[in-house]
Amino acid sequence: SQQGEEDPQALSIQEGENATMNCSYKTSINNLQWYRQNSGRGLVHLILIRSNEREKHSGRLRVTLDTSKKSSSLLITASRAADTASYFCARGTASKLTFGTGTRLQVTL
Amino acid sequence: DAGVIQSPRHEVTEMGQEVTLRCKPISGHDYLFWYRQTMMRGLELLIYFNNNVPIDDSGMPEDRFSAKMPNASFSTLKIQPSEPRDSAVYFCASSLLLAGDTQYFGPGTRLTVL
Repeated sequence: SQQGEEDPQALSIQEGENATMNCSYKTSINNLQWYRQNSGRGLVHLILIRSNEREKHSGRLRVTLDTSKKSSSLLITASRAADTASYFCARGTASKLTFGTGTRLQVTL
Repeated sequence: DAGVIQSPRHEVTEMGQEVTLRCKPISGHDYLFWYRQTMMRGLELLIYFNNNVPIDDSGMPEDRFSAKMPNASFSTLKIQPSEPRDSAVYFCASSLLLAGDTQYFGPGTRLTVL
């Protein structure tokens, strides 16, 4: 499959803990993106990291990209109940954005 | 900007009926995408347009599905005739310059075919 594959498929943590999700891919990319989807809603773009970048931050989000291993990780620090959602990585080329299968994150109080 | 607009938000129809889903992309975006999401198959790209021209329709499941983009501010996805296995959430998304850049999704249309 050329899709980004997320790991784990599901993650349950307590509020205040950090959540780490991983994404692997097989072919070359221009960028790697992460999206969030709340239940019953559309996907919302979180962050984009280009193939020549190794790390990027946005608020409580930290994304890393290792092109030699063809993998990326999304770290959410100090999680909140409102972070409960599905998170998708997406591999971007010039002609396409291919989504993975997603990680379901549950943050409990 | 209002974001990507989709209508209807929910559609319930009977097998064999024609279904038309509508999308208005973000103004100025060159690319428009139609996706389908199910629990079993995840998020699937059906077709995408660049400047109103269909570029890749390899994800369209069969001839019952068709999509048009008559102008830069409107697209339709039509299913005729509909079948129960078409039940899914259909998303429209748009992006500014490249197909692989940030995409902005609409709220989706939840289709139920009885």
